[in-house]
Amino acid sequence: AQRVTQPEKLLSVFKGAPVELKCNYSYSGSPELFWYVQYSRQRLQLLLRHISRESIKGFTADLNKGETSFHLKKPFAQEEDSAMYYCALTNQATSGSRLTFGEGTQLTVNP
Amino acid sequence: DSGVTQTPKHLITATGQRVTLRCSPRSGDLSVYWYQQSLDQGLQFLIQYYNGEERAKGNILERFSAQQFPDLHSELNLSSLELGDSALYFCASSDPRGPDTQYFGPGTRLTVL
Repeated sequence: AQRVTQPEKLLSVFKGAPVELKCNYSYSGSPELFWYVQYSRQRLQLLLRHISRESIKGFTADLNKGETSFHLKKPFAQEEDSAMYYCALTNQATSGSRLTFGEGTQLTVNP
Repeated sequence: DSGVTQTPKHLITATGQRVTLRCSPRSGDLSVYWYQQSLDQGLQFLIQYYNGEERAKGNILERFSAQQFPDLHSELNLSSLELGDSALYFCASSDPRGPDTQYFGPGTRLTVL
């Protein structure tokens, strides 16, 4: 069965500091990885999708198939980055396009 | 704004009751997904519809059912409600003919008293 693990429930950094939110996954087949962000229990917004290789709001994420990781990084955190971040995957071969989410990491960026 | 709309925003009801949550997908999206977000279970996939037909089922209770109508809007019906059903219910939509990225609605917050 596929699973997404976000080891840190809470992460606190200071403004301007680098931030890394960890995500590891277990899977069978060829998963597709995503990062979603949720501000104050509002709607989930797509932040990154690994196949698009984009950088959104200064965030990047690299898929490391050897380590089965998809960590989210930003070199200089901003206060407005404070939110809940969810790593998620789909696996068309085994479970179609449903998203399997990790437990989320609450990021707080302090002034 | 992702274009996915959900009504109502908030719903407060009593145990044993039945409620219906409504979702309108983005224009052109054929797939609709329902997810439940609760404090103890996190974000869980419930069910997916594609162009009116059920495509996939997740951790959906037998007391819950859903459907997608010809105009592609979807409804999630929750019956015999229990306190533990209190949660945020999100709808998402995607177009499997394209990138198939899921875009989420604002959610319906259900409180069962």
